[in-house]
Amino acid sequence: NAGVTQTPKFQVLKTGQSMTLQCAQDMNHEYMSWYRQDPGMGLRLIHYSVGAGITDQGEVPNGYNVSRSTTEDFPLRLLSAAPSQTSVYFCASSQDGGNTIYFGEGSWLTVV
Amino acid sequence: AQSVTQLDSQVPVFEEAPVELRCNYSSSVSVYLFWYVQYPNQGLQLLLKYLSGSTLVKGINGFEAEFNKSQTSFHLRKPSVHISDTAEYFCAVSVPAGGTSYGKLTFGQGTILTVHP
Repeated sequence: NAGVTQTPKFQVLKTGQSMTLQCAQDMNHEYMSWYRQDPGMGLRLIHYSVGAGITDQGEVPNGYNVSRSTTEDFPLRLLSAAPSQTSVYFCASSQDGGNTIYFGEGSWLTVV
Repeated sequence: AQSVTQLDSQVPVFEEAPVELRCNYSSSVSVYLFWYVQYPNQGLQLLLKYLSGSTLVKGINGFEAEFNKSQTSFHLRKPSVHISDTAEYFCAVSVPAGGTSYGKLTFGQGTILTVHP
């Protein structure tokens, strides 16, 4: 069982470039979410989804776009990368009413 | 809105000693509480969670936590730590609606536990 798979693991972007962080889960979980982790700030919710076709904003959504066309996939798009988006990004999926959350291994993004 | 404060950013401790990692939360409504562990360059792993019932919650790897509603705390404890417990620990809360959290968590800033031989 692969769990939650994120790609790429590492990425360097130039300011203004766009890219997509991929996230896939094979557990048939209804809920999926994206968090960013910055030193001393814990993890903060960017966007989340409660099912295919349904997404909503979290605490820090600006500069990011998401879509959920299938249950398995929940990509995160950076529209025009900025240095402030340098961070570690975690995708998560959950069952049990969203109360048992499984995290991916993380994607390290550097914007120069 | 809810918030979580982890009172110690770093906790050094010797192997086989007890440890307590402190977590306070603020919320105007009832919350669910979680502790996660993150080993270097890895994702987060759930240690334990409190949804309802007994206020003493036992988790994996010998950890336990006690929910104290009056003090709005959820401190994590282990009676005897090992070198392998060295990691960053995160306290988190969710605000359930009808028992559902939708995978939305608010995290504390993290506590780095370092176990020395």
